[in-house]
Amino acid sequence: DGGITQSPKYLFRKEGQNVTLSCEQNLNHDAMYWYRQDPGQGLRLIYYSQIVNDFQKGDIAEGYSVSREKKESFPLTVTSAQKNPTAFYLCASSHQGAPADTQYFGPGTRLTVL
Amino acid sequence: AQTVTQSQPEMSVQEAETVTLSCTYDTSESDYYLFWYKQPPSRQMILVIRQEAYKQQNATENRFSVNFQKAAKSFSLKISDSQLGDAAMYFCAYRTVYNNNDMRFGAGTRLTVKP
Repeated sequence: DGGITQSPKYLFRKEGQNVTLSCEQNLNHDAMYWYRQDPGQGLRLIYYSQIVNDFQKGDIAEGYSVSREKKESFPLTVTSAQKNPTAFYLCASSHQGAPADTQYFGPGTRLTVL
Repeated sequence: AQTVTQSQPEMSVQEAETVTLSCTYDTSESDYYLFWYKQPPSRQMILVIRQEAYKQQNATENRFSVNFQKAAKSFSLKISDSQLGDAAMYFCAYRTVYNNNDMRFGAGTRLTVKP
């Protein structure tokens, strides 16, 4: 089945550690996105990528890094510089080029800093 | 910057009844897209319905329909014949046609369905 997978579902991190969240899609979508969701707030964009080997910062990129070496994969690294990393992280993808393209989401990763 | 406001943090509805969730947005653009996403307890975001601003006709998807008032910048979601499976967080979202990557979300409305 086509879709977006994220792993792990739950992730625990000690303060000062970097962690990487995985996002894979087999929808042949060009664009991929990372969002952060906090309680009582909507989703906020961390990074996005429209094409392989290229990505752009979103509204809250500080303390995060990404790579896009393959079309199917867009991993997010939460670095120790991120001051409040405990949150729910959602990956999304969409076609690129047609204005009406809709973003489709993965099941998310819950990150908790101990 | 565009903003999306959902003024109802929580709503409840009796099973089989109808409920309307409110959303307003602020933009200076004339062409844009509006979305309603559902986030059930599994937390996966699921697209419910989409509206293109240039279309006057309100979008419908089975029991879900919208009331799109462009002049008032209002985009409400109506759920008819509510079912227990409709219980979820509902997010309204806006995106300009000029930037596919700039999606703005409201804070969400938690819908409870009472049996």
